[in-house]
Amino acid sequence: DAGVIQSPRHEVTEMGQEVTLRCKPISGHNSLFWYRQTMMRGLELLIYFNNNVPIDDSGMPEDRFSAKMPNASFSTLKIQPSEPRDSAVYFCASSPRDSGLGQPQHFGDGTRLSIL
Amino acid sequence: KNQVEQSPQSLIILEGKNCTLQCNYTVSPFSNLRWYKQDTGRGPVSLTIMTFSENTKSNGRYTATLDADTKQSSLHITASQLSDSASYICVVSEGRGSTLGRLYFGRGTQLTVWP
Repeated sequence: DAGVIQSPRHEVTEMGQEVTLRCKPISGHNSLFWYRQTMMRGLELLIYFNNNVPIDDSGMPEDRFSAKMPNASFSTLKIQPSEPRDSAVYFCASSPRDSGLGQPQHFGDGTRLSIL
Repeated sequence: KNQVEQSPQSLIILEGKNCTLQCNYTVSPFSNLRWYKQDTGRGPVSLTIMTFSENTKSNGRYTATLDADTKQSSLHITASQLSDSASYICVVSEGRGSTLGRLYFGRGTQLTVWP
């Protein structure tokens, strides 16, 4: 079975540009999570969706960040305008149902984002 | 303040040896605790998930323990292999009934296994 698929794997762009990260969750999973990982702050949950509906976006750093899940098989995380401090590895994860019930989350291999 | 602290920050052991990683938390109310293994350049992979009623859970050579009274967890790796070299991350979920409570992440323990 295919795991969580993220694209692109690497993105290098200049500050001020719009960045769009993409995620395809595992088929049949109905919870989707976006994370950011940096050396300074470790792993941070940005937002999660349940049945395509955003449930908790309290981790989204600021208005420059937005996430959408138009259907059960696709989600995007957008940064506009991007800044150098947004440089990080962004992970997408999915789980079979609400992970508060103890289901494991399956992570993609991440998008390494560098903002120059 | 809810926090998750892991120790040691890094650890080097010889292949074949055992090791134990620690996770202390102050998250309350508590829902579950997860251990993840993250290889360099890859996403985290779930090793174990434990609720407050579970004391021990194994996954192959990995055994996690949980003491909900003292709010401590450990991950024991038996007969280490070179492929165990990775970062091990402890994540504690805040209890909020049937919905996902806030997640609190440890900074991870970087384990290196030498031949």
